[in-house]
Amino acid sequence: KAGVTQTPRYLIKTRGQQVTLSCSPISGHRSVSWYQQTPGQGLQFLFEYFSETQRNKGNFPGRFSGRQFSNSRSEMNVSTLELGDSALYLCASSSAAAMNTEAFFGQGTRLTVV
Amino acid sequence: AQSVTQLDSQVPVFEEAPVELRCNYSSSVSVYLFWYVQYPNQGLQLLLKYLSGSTLVESINGFEAEFNKSQTSFHLRKPSVHISDTAEYFCAVTSTGANNLFFGTGTRLTVIP
Repeated sequence: KAGVTQTPRYLIKTRGQQVTLSCSPISGHRSVSWYQQTPGQGLQFLFEYFSETQRNKGNFPGRFSGRQFSNSRSEMNVSTLELGDSALYLCASSSAAAMNTEAFFGQGTRLTVV
Repeated sequence: AQSVTQLDSQVPVFEEAPVELRCNYSSSVSVYLFWYVQYPNQGLQLLLKYLSGSTLVESINGFEAEFNKSQTSFHLRKPSVHISDTAEYFCAVTSTGANNLFFGTGTRLTVIP
């Protein structure tokens, strides 16, 4: 069974641009969560989708948005990029409606904003 | 609100020595606790989890953690570490009905030959 796939693995963007990251969950998983990982802030929750509905959102500005498609694949978008958005963005998928089961993480997309 | 505190940001230890990585959590409801490991340039891999039942949980590679409700702790231990255990370890908490994890700031374990 294939794992969580995130594309691209690496990305370099310029300040002010926008970026879209993609996450394909494990087949059959309906919950997809996104996390931002930085050396200073650690792992911070961005948002979670279940069956195409955003159920929970972390404390991030409106420049960060996401969506989930009917096949459970998810995308997150960051508009008007800032230098501080440089981070490893991790996607996790879960089979359950709640997180009290194992969440499987992808390898992440490393975004560098210059 | 839930939060996790990992008291040690870095833990150096000699090969074949025992290690304990500390994790304390704060929550007003029943919790589920996890330890994840991250190798360089990789995502997170689940090491072990406490959902219910026995408070001592074990992983397949020799790690164990004990859920202590009175001390709100979930420390990770291994009696004898290997070079390959060098990685960053994250403790995480969630609760019934929640749909996201709260992570600690991580502990970098470095095993010295």
